[in-house]
Amino acid sequence: QVQLQESGPGLVKPSETLSLSCTVSGGSISSYYWSWIRQSPGKGLEWIGYIYYTGTTNYNPSFNSRVTISVGTSKSQFSLKLSSVTAADTAVYYCARQLVDYFDSWGQGTLVTVSS
Amino acid sequence: QSALTQPASVSGSPGQSITISCTGTSSDVGSYNLVSWYQQHPGKGPKLMIYEDSERPSGVSHRFSGSKAGDTASLTISGLQAEDEADYYCCSYARGSTWVFGGGTKLTVL
Repeated sequence: QVQLQESGPGLVKPSETLSLSCTVSGGSISSYYWSWIRQSPGKGLEWIGYIYYTGTTNYNPSFNSRVTISVGTSKSQFSLKLSSVTAADTAVYYCARQLVDYFDSWGQGTLVTVSS
Repeated sequence: QSALTQPASVSGSPGQSITISCTGTSSDVGSYNLVSWYQQHPGKGPKLMIYEDSERPSGVSHRFSGSKAGDTASLTISGLQAEDEADYYCCSYARGSTWVFGGGTKLTVL
């Protein structure tokens, strides 16, 4: 049973870059897609983008040039960078395994607050 | 792309059946058999309940079923139990290789 755990700063200043990591245990990053999804306070879920284990990425056009997803050198981690953040980026961020067209395993989520 | 439309809340008594709708467009729900449903309890990450419109993952109760007609997908929960009380989200593949979620539905078991 694969498990995912998000980690990173819980507080980011406006205009700075949000950086999160996801550690995958109980399975390999190989042969799967790995996504980041967020949930703003009191709101629904929003897909941010995915990375395939080979490094191929696909991002939600809503985030476009602000987002970068990469695979870590350890091959059991992948990461999210979101630049030029504003208060609207305050949310719980989830990492998830994506089986092409659905998300079968999710982390517990980590709250990131954007505030000075 | 716009979020899929779900009712904000539904409720039912134990043992009853409820259905949650998820309305999209011909650019997402209506064009692909790729709707999935997720259950989320407070403070927890979402759990996959249905994928590819009506397929149930191993370990998910047979009380959960999915269907679709046109641009609207539905999740039906039969024999409601107290532990079914949670938020439910639909998700669809959308043209342009993106995924769009619904706004979520809060299920209350009376």
